[in-house]
Amino acid sequence: QSALTQPRSVSGSPGQSVTISCTGTSSDVGTYNYVSWYQQHPGKAPKLMIYDVNRRPSGVPDRFSGSKSGNTASLTISRLQAEDEADYYCSSYAGSYTFYVFGTGTKVTVL
Amino acid sequence: QVQLQESGPGLVKASETLSLTCTVSGGSISSGDYSWGWIRQSPEKGLGWIGSAFYSGGAYYNPSLQSRVTISLDTSKNQFSLRLTSVNAADTAVYYCARLFIGSPRRSFYFDNWGQGSLVTVSS
Repeated sequence: QSALTQPRSVSGSPGQSVTISCTGTSSDVGTYNYVSWYQQHPGKAPKLMIYDVNRRPSGVPDRFSGSKSGNTASLTISRLQAEDEADYYCSSYAGSYTFYVFGTGTKVTVL
Repeated sequence: QVQLQESGPGLVKASETLSLTCTVSGGSISSGDYSWGWIRQSPEKGLGWIGSAFYSGGAYYNPSLQSRVTISLDTSKNQFSLRLTSVNAADTAVYYCARLFIGSPRRSFYFDNWGQGSLVTVSS
């Protein structure tokens, strides 16, 4: 089971935007609109930020948005804030055999 | 608000069986809208899905772990458990239990509630 591919790190200054890519295959991201994104601060459990490609759970700021094109999903954080510094993981449903897969994770640094 | 809490030994000897339990409060594991799963995170590494079990019966497991893993539900205690046999050093990780929303009739798949995590170290 191969993990979805994410860049190891991205960075931006407060107020800027950053985008994290998540590349899968036609067996997961490319076929299903069940991509979700999680934020993880050090020593904490992951927190759901985006589900179903572009839907935000209640309480998640609208600065966080998701999209998908082909086999690649993306998470964009607009108006970057210091509290956004964390690790971010994408994930996807992957069919009845593999079922579920996470991304490799991206560290977001606020400069 | 649903809360999940992992419990179990923090140290397991190599070749033995890792057993963890997740106690769910504030919601029932008997709901058909959810599946109940385990995810692990090795030190300094990313998340890895282990498996998910359904109240309706059946479970899905990571193909790389399928021969060693079992997830079971105990509705009388509102708990679910993980068993991982023949562990080795590579199984050392923080283990999270989490609720996977699957929905009905509109399907979805995302983990909306997580436990705080339980560190399990495999010793030789």
